[in-house]
Amino acid sequence: DQQVKQNSPSLSVQEGRISILNCDYTNSMFDYFLWYKKYPAEGPTFLISISSIKDKNEDGRFTVFLNKSAKHLSLHIVPSQPGDSAVYFCAAIPNQAGTALIFGKGTTLSVSS
Amino acid sequence: EPEVTQTPSHQVTQMGQEVILRCVPISNHLYFYWYRQILGQKVEFLVSFYNNEISEKSEIFDDQFSVERPDGSNFTLKIRSTKLEDSAMYFCASNKAGVPYNEQFFGPGTRLTVL
Repeated sequence: DQQVKQNSPSLSVQEGRISILNCDYTNSMFDYFLWYKKYPAEGPTFLISISSIKDKNEDGRFTVFLNKSAKHLSLHIVPSQPGDSAVYFCAAIPNQAGTALIFGKGTTLSVSS
Repeated sequence: EPEVTQTPSHQVTQMGQEVILRCVPISNHLYFYWYRQILGQKVEFLVSFYNNEISEKSEIFDDQFSVERPDGSNFTLKIRSTKLEDSAMYFCASNKAGVPYNEQFFGPGTRLTVL
């Protein structure tokens, strides 16, 4: 039962271009969404989040867009850098503190110079 | 910058043996979590812990698993009798209480290999 889906296992982008990572969810109770980045042999690192009351949140080169009607969110990285190469996980959380994060399977981003 | 730490980084054990994985959450955090990631699969929630008791657990977290906060800093995950399928990366995470929707901070993980 995949409540959070990342349908693209991998994405390759050239340095300087835009990277767009996509995520779909099925549970309309989800109230908050997060993106994590993970390098090999490290734990997930928080990147950016968005509440369901917003449709966009921006932090430097990273922007997350939320389309509640489509149950879809995306992470845009502009411009992409080789150091962005990592696995990106989309995660969701219901409207409650101290609740489990529900992760997607991740998308491996490769940025070539 | 404060961070979540985990020990050991890699644990190898024989099937049927008990293992204890250790975590030191960020000091002013009050919610603690264990997740695991089997190789090639997604990160899965195991258990959350608040105010010295389990607040939520997944169906993975069966009677073979237990958690404890033995003192003011450590948070442990015990697997009583390990199985081959317990081989995975185990991540500890923590976040603050009283601030809803706050991101969880993850440790670097412990790689558990069950032979």
